[in-house]
Amino acid sequence: AQKITQTQPGMFVQEKEAVTLDCTYDTSDQSYGLFWYKQPSSGEMIFLIYQGSYDEQNATEGRYSLNFQKARKSANLVISASQLGDSAMYFCAMREGPYGNNRLAFGKGNQVVVIP
Amino acid sequence: NAGVTQTPKFQVLKTGQSMTLQCAQDMNHNSMYWYRQDPGMGLRLIYYSASEGTTDKGEVPNGYNVSRLNKREFSLRLESAAPSQTSVYFCASSEALFVNTEAFFGQGTRLTVV
Repeated sequence: AQKITQTQPGMFVQEKEAVTLDCTYDTSDQSYGLFWYKQPSSGEMIFLIYQGSYDEQNATEGRYSLNFQKARKSANLVISASQLGDSAMYFCAMREGPYGNNRLAFGKGNQVVVIP
Repeated sequence: NAGVTQTPKFQVLKTGQSMTLQCAQDMNHNSMYWYRQDPGMGLRLIYYSASEGTTDKGEVPNGYNVSRLNKREFSLRLESAAPSQTSVYFCASSEALFVNTEAFFGQGTRLTVV
């Protein structure tokens, strides 16, 4: 069963504007971690940000922030002040805890194109 | 630091041929993963190894086998390649003790089965 859902179609964003990428997840574990990765056209996977299931504050890393709503099981990525270099695929991922045997699963990704 | 090294980077196989994709990490990580990436499908987990000596099936294990040779190395074998296995394959590793450690990825292997 799909555990990570990213359903938005490709998005076009104006440079310097903010963009929100949606991610919902499903798990029975109480302890889990949520991650966002960026994949530019060159193909490498770049880690962006992490949110733990027990973290009370939303995670932030520079221009990236994570809007974590535990009850809704959502972990949306917000990119502020978009730059041309932000054009890429973005993947949401979840690592489950002991009941999930530390499995790490990814969503299908969101394509973002930043336009000048 | 080498991180996660995958070999080969590119491979073309004929239907029915076999091959092994190699993956090695030098970060002393317990967990290792194999994914395939197809357009519109994201990264799908093929097999993973939570720790040395254990392996588990992921979402799409059919047609593949894995070996956790030691803590450093985790190989993926295609016994009889099919065109449906044309894909980009990624190996990843992470520390498994806590959920808050990100995975580190190799550069990927682009496999074409004709």
